[in-house]
Amino acid sequence: ETGVTQSPTHLIKTRGQQVTLRCSSQSGHNTVSWYQQALGQGPQFIFQYYREEENGRGNFPPRFSGLQFPNYSSELNVNALELDDSALYLCASSFRDRVTDTQYFGPGTRLTVL
Amino acid sequence: KQEVTQIPAALSVPEGENLVLNCSFTDSAIYNLQWFRQDPGKGLTSLLLIQSSQREQTSGRLNASLDKSSGRSTLYIAASQPGDSATYLCAVTNSGYSTLTFGKGTMLLVSP
Repeated sequence: ETGVTQSPTHLIKTRGQQVTLRCSSQSGHNTVSWYQQALGQGPQFIFQYYREEENGRGNFPPRFSGLQFPNYSSELNVNALELDDSALYLCASSFRDRVTDTQYFGPGTRLTVL
Repeated sequence: KQEVTQIPAALSVPEGENLVLNCSFTDSAIYNLQWFRQDPGKGLTSLLLIQSSQREQTSGRLNASLDKSSGRSTLYIAASQPGDSATYLCAVTNSGYSTLTFGKGTMLLVSP
């Protein structure tokens, strides 16, 4: 157990809808990263939040957006869902430390878009 | 753009065998490299993290090596067990910030 939790576990939506996924960081961590993992692929970086500000973004369109709250929990919002958004969404928390920067992953949210 | 490749894509071995999983990356300016384990439909569990200045890390039956100049890492699993069956992912962090670039993974099946 990493101490990182995600909700919900599974979610089914239809094309065009909007979805919000949630992540609770491990205690003491100040950085949250979100990844999308399609079936049979490695996780792809979506974006990262450090102390409530976006601190890097992967190759994802603006309809993917996020928030980090003062308690360092985080949300991933996806608007105008497309079929290709079906994937496992993983969040990872870490503490910005230049010596080690191990990321601790949550169990993921499985999103299915019909 | 950093790219990570893992070979083989899948591996099936009998219990007790020693095995090697391979990972290569195109940009050698990495900050660190991690090996993860992923059980079907589950999140990722970090197995080993190697800083760019290190050559190897060991944890129990696992040993990971890093050759930064050639852009390669190997994960050695000794005396494999059916419980080792999972997908193993290699990921690198480039200098700057701690985002991970992953390979597609090696799916390992260890038969009793």
